Amino acid sequence: KAGVTQTPRYLIKTRGQQVTLSCSPISGHRSVSWYQQTPGQGLQFLFEYFSETQRNKGNFPGRFSGRQFSNSRSEMNVSTLELGDSALYLCASSLMSDTQYFGPGTRLTVL
Amino acid sequence: EDQVTQSPEALRLQEGESSSLNCSYTVSGLRGLFWYRQDPGKGPEFLFTLYSAGEEKEKERLKATLTKKESFLHITAPKPEDSATYLCAVQGPPLGAGGTSYGKLTFGQGTILTVHP
Repeated sequence: KAGVTQTPRYLIKTRGQQVTLSCSPISGHRSVSWYQQTPGQGLQFLFEYFSETQRNKGNFPGRFSGRQFSNSRSEMNVSTLELGDSALYLCASSLMSDTQYFGPGTRLTVL
Repeated sequence: EDQVTQSPEALRLQEGESSSLNCSYTVSGLRGLFWYRQDPGKGPEFLFTLYSAGEEKEKERLKATLTKKESFLHITAPKPEDSATYLCAVQGPPLGAGGTSYGKLTFGQGTILTVHP
């Protein structure tokens, strides 16, 4: 069974731009969670989607948003990028919000 | 607020030298405790899920145990390929059971394990 895939793997953007990251969960998984990983803060929860509905949201500003499609694929968007948004963005899927399986991540660099 | 503290921050072992990593947690109603392994530049790789105190799980040279306040990851006779960052995470009760933890894992800062040949 194929694992979680994320595209693109690497992105370089400049301050003020916006970015969209994509995540395809494991087949049959309905829950998708997003995390931001930085050396200083570690892994921090952004939000979770289940059956196209956002069920939970972490403590991030409104510039961070997401959505889920009917095939469970998910996207997250960051608008008005700041230098501090440079991080590894990880997507994880689970069957019913239980054990989460992570993708390889998207490395975002903001210049 | 769920909290997870891992110790030590870094651990250096000689090949074959067994040791344990600690994960202390605070959560109101543990739904699950998870161990992951992460290699540099990659996403976390799932190792174990533990649900209740007294539970133990094993996989190759790794054994995870759980009490009401902490979890241990025991590494027996480690090899250089076991070198990685080991992450511990907890999930609290979901909405409708007094919590807001749908899909949310709270992670510790990790233990960086280096095994020298």
